[in-house]
Amino acid sequence: NAGVTQTPKFQVLKTGQSMTLQCAQDMNHNSMYWYRQDPGMGLRLIYYSASEGTTDKGEVPNGYNVSRLNKREFSLRLESAAPSQTSVYFCASSEGAGSNEKLFFGSGTQLSVL
Amino acid sequence: AQSVTQLGSHVSVSEGALVLLRCNYSSSVPPYLFWYVQYPNQGLQLLLKYTSAATLVKGINGFEAEFKKSETSFHLTKPSAHMSDAAEYFCAVSDYHFNKFYFGSGTKLNVKP
Repeated sequence: NAGVTQTPKFQVLKTGQSMTLQCAQDMNHNSMYWYRQDPGMGLRLIYYSASEGTTDKGEVPNGYNVSRLNKREFSLRLESAAPSQTSVYFCASSEGAGSNEKLFFGSGTQLSVL
Repeated sequence: AQSVTQLGSHVSVSEGALVLLRCNYSSSVPPYLFWYVQYPNQGLQLLLKYTSAATLVKGINGFEAEFKKSETSFHLTKPSAHMSDAAEYFCAVSDYHFNKFYFGSGTKLNVKP
């Protein structure tokens, strides 16, 4: 079972470069999420998508954009990377509102912005 | 608005000792509460969840948590720590309608031989 797949696993960018983190889930989940994890700050929600065709801001959306391409895929884009965006990024999915089922996480992307 | 606060960023216990990791929540609606564990270089895995069916929730690997509304707490416990329990633990809250999950800052558990 693949579950939630994120690519790439590691990435180094220079300040001002752009990149897209890819995420796909094969569990037919309605909701998908992007989190960033920083030491001492836990996981903070960047954006989430309650269902296909909808996206909404989380706690720390500045500097990011997202696309819910279809029910399976939810990408995160950094248009102009900054050192403050150095972090570990996790994609997650769940069945959706009203279910309160757990989140399924990808294995993470370690991003360094120099 | 919903949030969780985890007291203690690092907890150290001896193998065989009681594990107690603290979590307090803030929620304007009945909360749904979760504990997740993260082993090094991995994503998060669900330990247990509270969804109002019972106040004492049993999870995997011998962990359990008790929901106390009067104290707005959802502390995680395990009677006897094992070396394999060393990991980072996160408390999280979500709401029924929007299904957004908010996480605490995490507690790293160290287990000494």
